[in-house]
Parts: sequence; structure tokens; C-alpha cells
Amino acid sequence: AQTVTQSQPEMSVQEAETVTLSCTYDTSESDYYLFWYKQPPSRQMILVIRQEAYKQQNATENRFSVNFQKAAKSFSLKISDSQLGDAAMYFCAYRSDETGTYKYIFGTGTRLKVLA
Amino acid sequence: NAGVMQNPRHLVRRRGQEARLRCSPMKGHSHVYWYRQLPEEGLKFMVYLQKENIIDESGMPKERFSAEFPKEGPSILRIQQVVRGDSAAYFCASSPHPARQPQETQYFGPGTRLLVL
Repeated sequence: AQTVTQSQPEMSVQEAETVTLSCTYDTSESDYYLFWYKQPPSRQMILVIRQEAYKQQNATENRFSVNFQKAAKSFSLKISDSQLGDAAMYFCAYRSDETGTYKYIFGTGTRLKVLA
Repeated sequence: NAGVMQNPRHLVRRRGQEARLRCSPMKGHSHVYWYRQLPEEGLKFMVYLQKENIIDESGMPKERFSAEFPKEGPSILRIQQVVRGDSAAYFCASSPHPARQPQETQYFGPGTRLLVL
């Protein structure tokens, strides 16, 4: 069975600085997607970025980028120029596309604090 | 295009009562996922449905919990004879057919906070 691990329960970053949130996963499949979601205090889940396993190029969305290391099964999120509004829980998620179930598996989350 | 709608946003029930949580997917989305989130924890997958069909219910407790997504109307997560341990936030997410649009992800509703007294 697939698993997703976020080993950092909490991280802090100074405003305008850069922070990296780590995520590792375990799978024997080759066809899958990876996602980062943000959950601010409102608790609304918001998609931050996605990565298809077949694509070697790391995904980028404005100040958010990933470091996707397929062989190492690592999918870290880098947030540049951190802003106060980035403070939230961040969840890494894996979606299996190979078996046709398209089920999402979430990590336990990392709470990001942004210091003014 | 309205997002995923969930109602009620807050639900209070006494032990032994039934809770019905509704989820209306985004327009054009054929698949619905239900998750449970306990305070300070991550999302736990419960069930994954397409219209009139349960695709995967491996995360749903065998007793008291059921889900449906009828041809017409919202998806319903039903919890019978609620207990205090059912208190949690329940999130619904919807997506287009994943096989046809794999690049698309699921979009979440605002959640229903269930409190069992």
C-alpha cells in the first residue's frame, strides 16, 4: 500500500525568507500524481501545486516550486519570499493512477508559521 | 462556476442521532471523495464515488457509516447512531473523471463540522 510521510510537524520561516517542506512517499507504481495542498485557519483546502510522475521537470507556481526526486521518492515544497498569508497547514498527497482507482493519500501535514 | 458546496457547515447532534452531510460537486464533476479530519490531524480518506456507484469505500467504517451519490442531487454521507468519536470535520471533494482528465485534481468544499454531544 502507498504511504505518504511528512516528517516535519511544524516549521517556521521569517517573512521574505525561503522555506522547504519535506514529503516522502512509498509506492511500487510508476503512474501517479503528487500534490501539495494548503489549509489556512479557515480550513478550506487549497491546491498549491501538482506534479505528474512522468514529468522530470519540477513544477513551479509563482513563489512555490517542488523538488521532485522520483528515485528517492521525495517531493519537497519550496516557498520563496514567504508571506504572512502563507501561514497554514501544508499537506502532501499522492494519487494512484495506475490501478484505476484514483484514490488520494495524504500525509499528516506540516504547520508553517511565518514570522514578521 | 460555483465551487464544491457542503451543507450544513456546522451540525450538532446528540449521541444516538443520525447525521446527514451533503455535498454538491462542481458543475461537470462526476466523482466525489469524502474525508474526515480530526483536530490537529490530516485528512483520512473515507469513500470515493461516482454517480450511482461506490468506487472505493475502504476508509469507511463498516458500521453506521454509508455514502451515496445518486444520479440526481448531492452526495450524502450518512452517520447513524452517532457517538462522540464521530466529532470531526468532514470534507467533500469533487473532480472530473480522472481517467479522462488525469491532470485535473480534486477541489474541496468548505467542510462540515460535526459535533456530537
